[in-house]
Parts: sequence; structure tokens; C-alpha cells
Amino acid sequence: DTAVSQTPKYLVTQMGNDKSIKCEQNLGHDTMYWYKQDSKKFLKIMFSYNNKELIINETVPNRFSPKSPDKAHLNLHINSLELGDSAVYFCASSQGRTGNTIYFGEGSWLTVV
Amino acid sequence: KNEVEQSPQNLTAQEGEFITINCSYSVGISALHWLQQHPGGGIVSLFMLSSGKKKHGRLIATINIQEKHSSLHITASHPRDSAVYICAVRTNAGKSTFGDGTTLTVKP
Repeated sequence: DTAVSQTPKYLVTQMGNDKSIKCEQNLGHDTMYWYKQDSKKFLKIMFSYNNKELIINETVPNRFSPKSPDKAHLNLHINSLELGDSAVYFCASSQGRTGNTIYFGEGSWLTVV
Repeated sequence: KNEVEQSPQNLTAQEGEFITINCSYSVGISALHWLQQHPGGGIVSLFMLSSGKKKHGRLIATINIQEKHSSLHITASHPRDSAVYICAVRTNAGKSTFGDGTTLTVKP
């Protein structure tokens, strides 16, 4: 059973479109995250949710909006996609807000053309 | 300047060698993670440290809170250890910051 699953794994879309990436975890964790890994392989955190509440929102354009319908899901919606949004997006989860092992999804490769 | 600095950036070793990857940070932290990213892209959390030392198989991670430094050691390295190793810290303010990664290549 996959602990943290993301869909889709690959997504190619045109500039200006709106797209979503879904994430689900079956670990019973209360904290979920979205990370972005750019073309240089540098990882940055985008958002963190604890018990469905936003606790970290790094400097991310308003076009990115996370939505957490319940503790097991954290979806990422991206409006008006731009070329620079092309990256790999990783979802992750952990129990508690600090100091526990983080479990990553397999990543979603987004290409904006 | 990144709050988390890793060295070396790239590392090539022969199979069987002892490997050390270093991570220094400049902020107060509540936890430090070592992550492994394989060429296929998947990320695995290897260790979470807040003090001392942890060992898992051939991997050892240490942290010195006073010196703001952590090391990841791999004993008896193997080609399957080839990956990017990323140091990540959780600051006391709750922010997550990542190092730029160390690309390790172990040759048979």
C-alpha cells in the first residue's frame, strides 16, 4: 500500500490553464506538505497543513492554492499556469508539526508549454 | 546565502569506500532531516535528528547542535547508494529549509 500517493504523476499542459494535483496519505498523519523541486533539483517548501489548517505558507504566488478537505488529503490547485511553474511537486506527510519523519509521495512532474 | 549549506556538492567514490556528507546551518532548529533522492526522483527520509547520533544499516547520521553541523556517513558504499542526499532543517519558527543536495556516485 502506498503511504503517500499523488496524482497525476505526469502532467503536460498549456500556459494559462488551471490544473490540480491530488495527494492522499493513509498513515493517519495530521500534517501534510507540498514541496516544489525546480529544474536545478532544489527543494523548497510551499505549504504545510496541520489538522486541515494552514501553518506554513512560503512565498508562493496566489495562483497556488492548497485545499485540505480532511486530514488525509491535501490538494494543490494552480491557476493561470506559467512556464516557470514547470517543476516536480512533492506531497508529504508527518505526524506532528515538528521533529518527526516525513514521508514523501513519488512526485508529480508538471510541464507547462 | 542559504541557511543550510551542504558539502561537497558532488562526490564520486569507489565501491567499499567510507563516505561523509556534511551539512551546516545558521539558524536555530528543532529538527534536521537527511533525505535521499534516487535518479528516478523519489524521495526517502533517511533520518530525523534533534540530537546525538542515529544508525540504520550502513548509514550513520550525527548532529552537533552547538556547532550547528550534521554529517551523514555511509560505510562500505555500494553503487546502489548513488543518489542525491539532501539536508533539511526545521527551524524553531517552523520553517523548512533545504540544502542544495550532494550528488553521490559510487563506482563499482
